[in-house]
Amino acid sequence: GAVVSQHPSRVICKSGTSVKIECRSLDFQATTMFWYRQFPKKSLMLMATSNEGSKATYEQGVEKDKFLINHASLTLSTLTVTSAHPEDSSFYICSAWDTKYNEQFFGPGTRLTVL
Amino acid sequence: QQQVKQSPQSLIVQKGGISIINCAYENTAFDYFPWYQQFPGKGPALLIAIRPDVSEKKEGRFTISFNKSAKQFSLHIMDSQPGDSATYFCAASKGGTASKLTFGTGTRLQVTL
Repeated sequence: GAVVSQHPSRVICKSGTSVKIECRSLDFQATTMFWYRQFPKKSLMLMATSNEGSKATYEQGVEKDKFLINHASLTLSTLTVTSAHPEDSSFYICSAWDTKYNEQFFGPGTRLTVL
Repeated sequence: QQQVKQSPQSLIVQKGGISIINCAYENTAFDYFPWYQQFPGKGPALLIAIRPDVSEKKEGRFTISFNKSAKQFSLHIMDSQPGDSATYFCAASKGGTASKLTFGTGTRLQVTL
């Protein structure tokens, strides 16, 4: 199957700073990527759908000015958490849709801790 | 509003036994139903998926049963092994595999020796 990577795998930052998380499709081009958030022992909640070359579509209740998504190329989408606060601490997971396998493949996740 | 309900929340099964996890959905527009396995600190991995035009799909030890009229689908893990101990999520989407997924609440499976 296809491989999706995320960087960094873990990040600790101070409250008020911004953090950028990268999601890359390593062996395929992804016109569509998704960003999810997962709290401990909870389910995945979709934050936004990212389409290459266009603005992301955010789910209801997700602050688009706080969670900036950029899908500038067919292999890279980034999520920037701006002015992070402790309540933003979570596990962020991306997925990318591969046309060859006609499936979504998930990245390994990024653990964000805001102090 | 939880559109995909999953049960049980946790499950303990002896090695060699059958693990059964159930999901129910509300949105009749859903047309793709995958199951994912997630280990702690990792992203979900696709196990098996089904579309509503079939009632059952089997891949190795994993089987999905689908009941369109009842809007329910379930995952059966045959001959459960300790390595199957993980959290399992059902999901659903409308518009196929490229569409956004709505996840169930998850089931923590523990397979004992």
